[in-house]
This record gives sequence, structure tokens and C-alpha cells, in this order.
Amino acid sequence: IAGITQAPTSQILAAGRRMTLRCTQDMRHNAMYWYRQDLGLGLRLIHYSNTAGTTGKGEVPDGYSVSRANTDDFPLTLASAVPSQTSVYFCASSIGAPYSGANVLTFGAGSRLTVL
Amino acid sequence: GQNIDQPTEMTATEGAIVQINCTYQTSGFNGLFWYQQHAGEAPTFLSYNVLDGLEEKGRFSSFLSRSKGYSYLLLKELQMKDSASYLCAVVDSNYQLIWGAGTKLIIKP
Repeated sequence: IAGITQAPTSQILAAGRRMTLRCTQDMRHNAMYWYRQDLGLGLRLIHYSNTAGTTGKGEVPDGYSVSRANTDDFPLTLASAVPSQTSVYFCASSIGAPYSGANVLTFGAGSRLTVL
Repeated sequence: GQNIDQPTEMTATEGAIVQINCTYQTSGFNGLFWYQQHAGEAPTFLSYNVLDGLEEKGRFSSFLSRSKGYSYLLLKELQMKDSASYLCAVVDSNYQLIWGAGTKLIIKP
């Protein structure tokens, strides 16, 4: 592993199903983030974690939950998927927080989720 | 509200120079990032400006004017591989990162 690994790469999901998007980093970064990217909109922060054991809500947290049991892993769970959660999801990490020239975001390759 | 404005799409010719503008209205300012994102891929870091002026990195330069709420990314000697979206993002006074929708740059031979 080098950098951030996300899984699955893509998934089609029936509405109402539960889904967990996995994110693992091997850079020993303290801070991790989940973003969603939709056409015509900027990246929107869903949840973040400044350090293992802590999490916080971003701009669009409803319908999503996260956990940060250790430094490396930051899974995102959709408890009951809805079509409006169709999006590309990016996991990102930085050495620390807050955002600065020293705390640049490194992104995973993304997970494309379609909810029908 | 907080707002980041970038042109939706720009077209340029291989070997030429292009300037991608970003204007912002945010509650405070603590830095501005530019990221490059190729279609279907992850955004990758290009530059960070926190003070006024021009920062040069090879073929790419980024400029900031805090008084005007304005930044631009200058790409010189354009190559086909520069075809991508360019994302502008501002750190506000609460250290939230506000993203623009991105500028899709199309390079023609």
C-alpha cells in the first residue's frame, strides 16, 4: 500500500441498503476526511477526524457515520442508502490539522457509488 | 454565504499559456489551495498561497491578492497531459476548506 486505498472502486446499491466505504492510509497521517464530489459542485466535507479516536461533522453529514478506531482506517457508513447519496466519494488525509501549506490533503482514488 | 467562483470550462492550445482565475468571498482567509484533477482520478496538490504575490513551480505559477479576493493559476508551455480540472479552495477564518466547483481545461493540439 502506498498512500490511501479506498474500496470498493465502484458499487451499485439498492435504496435502503447499508453500505460501508473503506479507507486505509499508510502515511501515519493524523487527520482524515471524507468528501463527496457531485457534478457542478465543489467537494463537500462529510465527516473528518483530526486524530485517532475523535471524529467531527462536516458540511453534509446527514445519513453518514464514521469511526476512527486507529490511525490508519477511516470507514464511512451509509446506514440506509438513498438515491441522493449517489456520488463519488473521496477519502483524504493530512499530516495534521488545520489546513495549511504544511497540512496538504492527499486523496484516495475515490469510490463511485450509485444508489437505485 | 461563502462562495468560490471559477470558470466552468476553458480551452487552450498546446504550447500556449493559460490563466485560470478564482475569486472568493469567504468569512476570513487563512490560505488558498490549487489542486489538479484528471478525469476519473483523485485531486492532487499543486500550490498553496497565504501571502500576496506570485509563487512559481516549474511550468505552474499561482498568484494571490487577498485585498481583491482573487487568485489565478498560470500554466505555461501547455502539454496535452495538462487537460484536467483545476480546483480552487480557500481556508476560511474557522479553518474550514471551501471548494470551488473547478475549471475544466481542454488542451487542443
